[in-house]
Amino acid sequence: EVQLVESGGGLVKPGGSLRLSCAASGFTFSSYSMNWVRQAPGKGLEWVSSISSSSSYIYYADSVKGRFTISRDNAKNSLYLQMNSLRAEDTAVYYCARDDLTGDLGYWGQGTLVTVSS
Amino acid sequence: QSVLTQPPSVSAAPGQKVTISCSGSSSNIGNNYVSWYQQLPGTAPKLLIYDNNKRPSGIPDRFSGSKSGTSATLGITGLQTGDEADYYCGTWDSSLSAGGRVFGGGTKLTVL
Repeated sequence: EVQLVESGGGLVKPGGSLRLSCAASGFTFSSYSMNWVRQAPGKGLEWVSSISSSSSYIYYADSVKGRFTISRDNAKNSLYLQMNSLRAEDTAVYYCARDDLTGDLGYWGQGTLVTVSS
Repeated sequence: QSVLTQPPSVSAAPGQKVTISCSGSSSNIGNNYVSWYQQLPGTAPKLLIYDNNKRPSGIPDRFSGSKSGTSATLGITGLQTGDEADYYCGTWDSSLSAGGRVFGGGTKLTVL
């Protein structure tokens, strides 16, 4: 069974940093592209970043480019999101999601809440 | 403001049919496959439809998808109270940063 478990969320002050992790199991992690998608409280989904299976291709939404860094460790079956210079508008539940072979977001974790507030 | 436009809410009675629209442009829906995601209250989104009209394993055939030009539609027949959820369309957009996925603002389905 595919499982994605996010961790690392919490309360952080504006300008601060946070590192999210996503532990994957139940599939060959090194074969799939991975993504971070966020959802602000009461709002819709927003794609944040994606990384290819071997980390060769990395993409970011304009809203986080230059502040967030996505990475992965295939030996540890883990995905990461380093978030720097956090702003109030980054407050959201952050989901880790796996690409299907069709490129769709076929599996999602349960999410981890990031709150940016003074 | 989302790149893809969905109605904020739709409602219908149990057993009835409902459709949810998703409108975009040539840079997104017009030249890419559309997916649909269901988000039940308090849970993570789940893939419902991919490649415009295909259902992942385990998704009942009460759910269907279609695309025409720069718009897509999700259909749900035989509505059940368990279908009450937020529904999102998604695709890629070639006018945004490379790799840019976009979503609609979401539609809340109420089964009266």
